[in-house]
Amino acid sequence: KNEVEQSPQNLTAQEGEFITINCSYSVGISALHWLQQHPGGGIVSLFMLSSGKKKHGRLIATINIQEKHSSLHITASHPRDSAVYICAANAGGTSYGKLTFGQGTILTVHP
Amino acid sequence: GAGVSQSPRYKVAKRGQDVALRCDPISGHVSLFWYQQALGQGPEFLTYFQNEAQLDKSGLPSDRFFAERPEGSVSTLKIQRTQQEDSAVYLCASSLPGYEQYFGPGTRLTVT
Repeated sequence: KNEVEQSPQNLTAQEGEFITINCSYSVGISALHWLQQHPGGGIVSLFMLSSGKKKHGRLIATINIQEKHSSLHITASHPRDSAVYICAANAGGTSYGKLTFGQGTILTVHP
Repeated sequence: GAGVSQSPRYKVAKRGQDVALRCDPISGHVSLFWYQQALGQGPEFLTYFQNEAQLDKSGLPSDRFFAERPEGSVSTLKIQRTQQEDSAVYLCASSLPGYEQYFGPGTRLTVT
């Protein structure tokens, strides 16, 4: 079993739909990251959170430390949101930010 | 430039060749990470530098992999005697300690 698991692996949506991607982890963490990767492109950090909820534009990330679970929500999805979304855990044993990654969720938003 | 840069962006190597991949981090970023991303997978940690010190190399898959950051800025990941299983995207990221990581565009290595 991977230390960080995401679901679903693939997600297809129509423009305007509300999207949720889930991430569960089995290790103790000091922070949880949500990252976005476009095809052929680099990785962009969306959120880094250790508790509660963060919002940026149409993106919302939540984390429940007790349940070791985080979710990334996209409201009013748009085709330009199509990308791979990756959650990554900063394992609590390191202070410098070593990340353990999930396998990614491929999101396709159709117009 | 303001971001992390990597070169080359693409590298094709014959099996058995040595390769060197370069990472230019964001100026002032103390922390530098190398990751390996196989096709269709999430990245996996290779090694970590704090300034010029390599503090964690637990993810390097074999002794054919070697990384350095001699002046605490630019880093080079070297792979000796490349094998087909080394084909992957190699990502570099930099950060201030404990803060979000900024990723470079990656180097796609194909070993034929």
